[in-house]
Amino acid sequence: KNEVEQSPQNLTAQEGEFITINCSYSVGISALHWLQQHPGGGIVSLFMLSSGKKKHGRLIATINIQEKHSSLHITASHPRDSAVYICAVRPGQGAQKLVFGQGTRLTINP
Amino acid sequence: DTGVSQNPRHKITKRGQNVTFRCDPISEHNRLYWYRQTLGQGPEFLTYFQNEAQLEKSRLLSDRFSAERPKGSFSTLEIQRTEQGDSAMYLCASSLALLATNEKLFFGSGTQLSVL
Repeated sequence: KNEVEQSPQNLTAQEGEFITINCSYSVGISALHWLQQHPGGGIVSLFMLSSGKKKHGRLIATINIQEKHSSLHITASHPRDSAVYICAVRPGQGAQKLVFGQGTRLTINP
Repeated sequence: DTGVSQNPRHKITKRGQNVTFRCDPISEHNRLYWYRQTLGQGPEFLTYFQNEAQLEKSRLLSDRFSAERPKGSFSTLEIQRTEQGDSAMYLCASSLALLATNEKLFFGSGTQLSVL
């Protein structure tokens, strides 16, 4: 079992729908990241969380440390949101590396 | 362009050949990471540097892999005697890490390696 599990693996929705991507992890962490990867490899950091909730535009990320779970929400989804969304955690208190989930491929149809 | 730059973007090589990739991080970033990503999977950690010191290496990194960051600026990743299983996207990321919990990573576009 991977330390970081994402669901769903693939998600197709219509433009305007509310999107939720889930991330569960099995280890203690000091931080959790949500990243966006477009075709061709480019990865962009969206959020870094250690508690609570963060919002940036139409994106909202939440984390529940006790339940070892995080969600990424997209409101009023748009075709340009189509990408792979990756959850990554920084294990423990002293670790420097990130452990990544396998990603969720999101396709928003017009 | 002041982002993380990786060269080459694509590399095709024959099995058994040596390859070297270069990463130029954002200037003043003290941390530099190498990750490897295969199709349909998330990136896997390979190694990271704080300035010129290589502080952690993954057990995934066999003796055929070596990375350097000689002056604490650009980094190179060399793979000797390449194998078909080395085919992957090699990603570099950098950060200015003041506190681990506040560290934001900036990724390059990666080098796609194909070993024939």
